Amino acid sequence: DAMVIQNPRYQVTQFGKPVTLSCSQTLNHNVMYWYQQKSSQAPKLLFHYYDKDFNNEADTPDNFQSRRPNTSFCFLDIRSPGLGDAAMYLCATSLSSGVSYEQYFGPGTRLTVT
Amino acid sequence: KQEVTQIPAALSVPEGENLVLNCSFTDSAIYNLQWFRQDPGKGLTSLLLIQSSQREQTSGRLNASLDKSSGRSTLYIAASQPGDSATYLCAVKDSNYQLIWGAGTKLIIKP
Repeated sequence: DAMVIQNPRYQVTQFGKPVTLSCSQTLNHNVMYWYQQKSSQAPKLLFHYYDKDFNNEADTPDNFQSRRPNTSFCFLDIRSPGLGDAAMYLCATSLSSGVSYEQYFGPGTRLTVT
Repeated sequence: KQEVTQIPAALSVPEGENLVLNCSFTDSAIYNLQWFRQDPGKGLTSLLLIQSSQREQTSGRLNASLDKSSGRSTLYIAASQPGDSATYLCAVKDSNYQLIWGAGTKLIIKP
């Protein structure tokens, strides 16, 4: 089945230790999104790629970076995680960014910072 | 600035009841509205998507309605089951093609 896959599902990192979260998709979608979701809150868009074009949200901290080496993979790098970065990180894809296109979500990676 | 609100934040009902979840938005200039389900500690599953030109969408026991002029959507769940227990989120696609999210309603169906 075509899907959005996130690895690992659970990640524990130490304060200040860089961490990378992975997302892959078999849907061949052009757009890939990264969201941060804290407990009992709505998902917050961090950035998205349309093909290789990177679009950063204005309020995304510089501590968060992303890479998309090819259509299938997208990575979220947190350069120096703080306690406030503990959250669920959701990857999503859509065929395009236009009006009618749904976003399809992966299962998420829960990040714990100790 | 578009804002999406879901009230109540939590809802508990006995099994078998029909129920309605509410979603309101402040700017009627939306392209579509989507309802999602999120189980604890899990990702998001899309339930229904309503385009701005549509009034409702149905899938099984779920029916979602959209009234753009009043800035409201409802998700109707018929004959609720314990397996329906989850958090339900709505999101609107705004004029910048971004999803603007509500904080969700946590639904508990009591056996």
